[in-house]
Amino acid sequence: SQQGEEDPQALSIQEGENATMNCSYKTSINNLQWYRQNSGRGLVHLILIRSNEREKHSGRLRVTLDTSKKSSSLLITASRAADTASYFCATPTNFGNEKLTFGTGTRLTIIP
Amino acid sequence: KAGVTQTPRYLIKTRGQQVTLSCSPISGHRSVSWYQQTPGQGLQFLFEYFSETQRNKGNFPGRFSGRQFSNSRSEMNVSTLELGDSALYLCASSLGGQGSHEQYFGPGTRLTVT
Repeated sequence: SQQGEEDPQALSIQEGENATMNCSYKTSINNLQWYRQNSGRGLVHLILIRSNEREKHSGRLRVTLDTSKKSSSLLITASRAADTASYFCATPTNFGNEKLTFGTGTRLTIIP
Repeated sequence: KAGVTQTPRYLIKTRGQQVTLSCSPISGHRSVSWYQQTPGQGLQFLFEYFSETQRNKGNFPGRFSGRQFSNSRSEMNVSTLELGDSALYLCASSLGGQGSHEQYFGPGTRLTVT
């Protein structure tokens, strides 16, 4: 079963604009991770945010986590064509566990 | 460091056959997890191995099995293939140990069952 649900399912924006995608999950977590996947290839780890963190930055990426609402958001600023990909949030099924449950993903398309 | 490698990259099999997929983790990583990705079900966890022991298991039938060797390399096997087993199989490695860590994925093996 899917632990996380991403919203929106698909997003198209102009190059240079910011892209925001959201993730909701169901159970308590100790961290939440975001991954990117290009065209049915392997996933690339983007960022891990722990449950005691509210915001984390990595380059053009900004992730927020609201454990009271069981939600997270990923913001990509100044988007580029190379950002076109599917983005997934993932949470460990149990504390201290490598078993990740992935959300349904957001398909992001950057229009040059 | 070399990334996670998976072999073969593409595979075509017939219903009823069996298949073995291989995964070599990043050097120093002791945990290897396997995921199945399909358009209908998305990414689903198959199993995780740590120090040659299966530590976690997903909800897949017994036809799906795996193992890990002393050098942390892992294989997964699917017996009596069904059409529904057509999928992208992804392997991921991580440090393992206590807690959960970011995982590093291989490029995947695209399995087509005809």
